[in-house]
Amino acid sequence: DTGVSQDPRHKITKRGQNVTFRCDPISEHNRLYWYRQTLGQGPEFLTYFQNEAQLEKSRLLSDRFSAERPKGSFSTLEIQRTEQGDSAMYLCASSLYATDTNEKLFFGSGTQLSVL
Amino acid sequence: KQEVTQIPAALSVPEGENLVLNCSFTDSAIYNLQWFRQDPGKGLTSLLLIQSSQREQTSGRLNASLDKSSGRSTLYIAASQPGDSATYLCAVYTGGFKTIFGAGTRLFVKA
Repeated sequence: DTGVSQDPRHKITKRGQNVTFRCDPISEHNRLYWYRQTLGQGPEFLTYFQNEAQLEKSRLLSDRFSAERPKGSFSTLEIQRTEQGDSAMYLCASSLYATDTNEKLFFGSGTQLSVL
Repeated sequence: KQEVTQIPAALSVPEGENLVLNCSFTDSAIYNLQWFRQDPGKGLTSLLLIQSSQREQTSGRLNASLDKSSGRSTLYIAASQPGDSATYLCAVYTGGFKTIFGAGTRLFVKA
């Protein structure tokens, strides 16, 4: 168990550029979540996958955002035409969902995005 | 709509003091509550998970309690150390994909 890995740790980009983040969940985990966190706030839900199926997307996730989880393994989050308001920490979490009472999230170290 | 509030937003204590962090939520229909620690610029580390049927969980110097009917949880830290300095977040899981987080309490333990 190597934990949840995210890459890169930091990303600085210019407004209008596209960026892609990667998340490798804990290997046996069937759920994968993406969250966004701004300074002084708790994480906000963006989207989640059960195995390879993307089951829910937040209204926060505009058409410029897309996420994939091919073959139910790693996931990517892409932001097209970045805006300064996209600057935030992007967190990935995974879980081995069995029952609601036992749902426990394990987080990666996050990707800090700065849009200039 | 479920809302999670953590008070105080920031707390500074001298080393060795016992302290309590508070978390409240508006809807008691939760499956569990999780406490996390977050160091600056880092991800969240899970500390304790309390299922809805449980009253408390303990891990080392940490003890978390849950009173679902009143919508409250507390995280008790015994004999605080400078290494405990971090932001502590609570989160309630309400089913499906929904985990709702509080904004956290920033703790500073002075040596």
